[in-house]
Amino acid sequence: AQRVTQPEKLLSVFKGAPVELKCNYSYSGSPELFWYVQYSRQRLQLLLRHISRESIKGFTADLNKGETSFHLKKPFAQEEDSAMYYCAPKAAGNKLTFGGGTRVLVKP
Amino acid sequence: EADIYQTPRYLVIGTGKKITLECSQTMGHDKMYWYQQDPGMELHLIHYSYGVNSTEKGDLSSESTVSRIRTEHFPLTLESARPSHTSQYLCASSEGGGQNYGYTFGSGTRLTVV
Repeated sequence: AQRVTQPEKLLSVFKGAPVELKCNYSYSGSPELFWYVQYSRQRLQLLLRHISRESIKGFTADLNKGETSFHLKKPFAQEEDSAMYYCAPKAAGNKLTFGGGTRVLVKP
Repeated sequence: EADIYQTPRYLVIGTGKKITLECSQTMGHDKMYWYQQDPGMELHLIHYSYGVNSTEKGDLSSESTVSRIRTEHFPLTLESARPSHTSQYLCASSEGGGQNYGYTFGSGTRLTVV
């Protein structure tokens, strides 16, 4: 069965500290991988996708096919990064499956 | 402005009532989706559509039904609401074709059945 796991429900870090959100997936084939973010009182929105190999708002995500992981990282967290983050693989049929989410709290 | 719209934002309704949650997008996207999310929990796909007159059930079984008569409109209906239907319902859309397109989400409808 296709599964995506975000082991941390809550990550609390101080401003300026690094933050890493873990995501592990169990999929057949080669899924596309995305990270979505939901800020307080805002819609769920796309943060970044692995195929673009981009850095958005200082975040990067490394796809490790051997470990089937797609961890999200930022070297220096900011208070505005406080939000809910979801890892989402997309398999055949263009359907996204969401992990349980990780709440990031960046303390001043 | 091209966007995806969900109405109502909040709905409190009595058991047994029929309800329709509206979702419309003005981006010309072929693919549309409905997700259900309980507070603090995962999003679960309950319905999706790849185009007009195409609807499929998602990974999570749901008593709701959907229709896709027009490209831009993808309403979700509950014939007889029950307290177990209390949840947040999120609508999303995406472009067809290539695999690397993400979804655009609406603001959601928070449904409470009393």
